[in-house]
Amino acid sequence: NAGVTQTPKFRVLKTGQSMTLLCAQDMNHEYMYWYRQDPGMGLRLIHYSVGEGTTAKGEVPDGYNVSRLKKQNFLLGLESAAPSQTSVYFCASSYSHSGGDPDTQYFGPGTRLTVL
Amino acid sequence: SQQGEEDPQALSIQEGENATMNCSYKTSINNLQWYRQNSGRGLVHLILIRSNEREKHSGRLRVTLDTSKKSSSLLITASRAADTASYFCAPAPGNEKLTFGTGTRLTIIP
Repeated sequence: NAGVTQTPKFRVLKTGQSMTLLCAQDMNHEYMYWYRQDPGMGLRLIHYSVGEGTTAKGEVPDGYNVSRLKKQNFLLGLESAAPSQTSVYFCASSYSHSGGDPDTQYFGPGTRLTVL
Repeated sequence: SQQGEEDPQALSIQEGENATMNCSYKTSINNLQWYRQNSGRGLVHLILIRSNEREKHSGRLRVTLDTSKKSSSLLITASRAADTASYFCAPAPGNEKLTFGTGTRLTIIP
């Protein structure tokens, strides 16, 4: 199993450009999450999903959109990138009906995004 | 907010020594988890302790939970250079979300 994978690993954008970050998991997890991590700020939840076709706002959702069209994929979109969105983005997933603790999250390796 | 707050923010110890880091949180929880993050990598789940447990062990890790004080501690015994990382606690209120603090940055000096 690959676990949680993220694409791309690095990206540099100019202010106003758009992009989509892809998260994929092969653990048949119901829940998926997008976080951003900034120096001295810890991880902050952007959006999350509790199942295919559902999304919900987290702590810092402004400037981002998400979609969960397939259970295994969770997309994070930046429609008009701003320098304040320079960060490391982590995807995570949790909870399988077949077992395991529902609260334990499994993280991807991260995407380092720089907005100039 | 359920956000866990880790203390100290940074800790440096000699290899072989024990490392203790603490976590405080604000409201009731179903369980509390500890995660490790190596530099430039994603978080890795270390251990979960349920609200009705007081202590749990996993290898060189020992976690305690005091729900009356809303606090937890993580002890790493016989530290190794590979333990150098940031450690985060994550209180779980049972609503499918976790919140993470800023972590304790642990450095093991060879």
